[in-house]
Amino acid sequence: EVQLVESGGGLVQPGGSLRLSCATSGFIFSDHYIDWVRQAPGKGLEWVGRSRNKTKSYTTDYAASVKGRFTISRDASKNSLYLQMNSLKSEDTAVYYCARPMSDGWGQGTLVTVSS
Amino acid sequence: QSVLTQPPSESGTPGQRVTISCSGSSSSVGSYDVYWYQQLPGTAPKLLIYRNNQRPSGVPDRFSGSKSGASASLDISGLRSEDEADYYCAAWDHSLSARVFGGGTKLTVL
Repeated sequence: EVQLVESGGGLVQPGGSLRLSCATSGFIFSDHYIDWVRQAPGKGLEWVGRSRNKTKSYTTDYAASVKGRFTISRDASKNSLYLQMNSLKSEDTAVYYCARPMSDGWGQGTLVTVSS
Repeated sequence: QSVLTQPPSESGTPGQRVTISCSGSSSSVGSYDVYWYQQLPGTAPKLLIYRNNQRPSGVPDRFSGSKSGASASLDISGLRSEDEADYYCAAWDHSLSARVFGGGTKLTVL
């Protein structure tokens, strides 16, 4: 069974940092692209960034709204994906999901709240 | 404002057929596969259609997808109360080097 489980969310002050984790199982981690997608309260889905598969050298892309502040990384030994978020703003408040963009598999999400 | 355009809402009665549209551009829908997601209230999104018209196992054949040029659509036939949810389309956009989502369509079953 494909599983993606996010963790690491919480309350952080504006300008602060947070690192989210996405633990995966049930599929070959290195074969798949994995995205981070967020959803602000009461709003739609917003793509945050992507980690491509091993064939594509695990290259990354980011949404313009987070480029330069957020960084995606992988630890293949732990089948895990990470989202390092720096210089957080109030508009980054959202539920953050990790997901396989081209096949089924979304996590349950982790809530990040940026507020003083 | 979303790069992909969807109607904010659609509605239908049980048994009816409903179509949700998704309009993009030559750099997004016109060039790349479209994916559709269903988000039931309070839950994570779920893949409904991949590669324009393919259904993952477990998705009823009442759901179908199509694409023509820079537009795509999701058809739901034999509408049921449990189909009441938010529906999102998504595609890659090479001019933005980003994945883009539609703004979402809230489907109400009357």
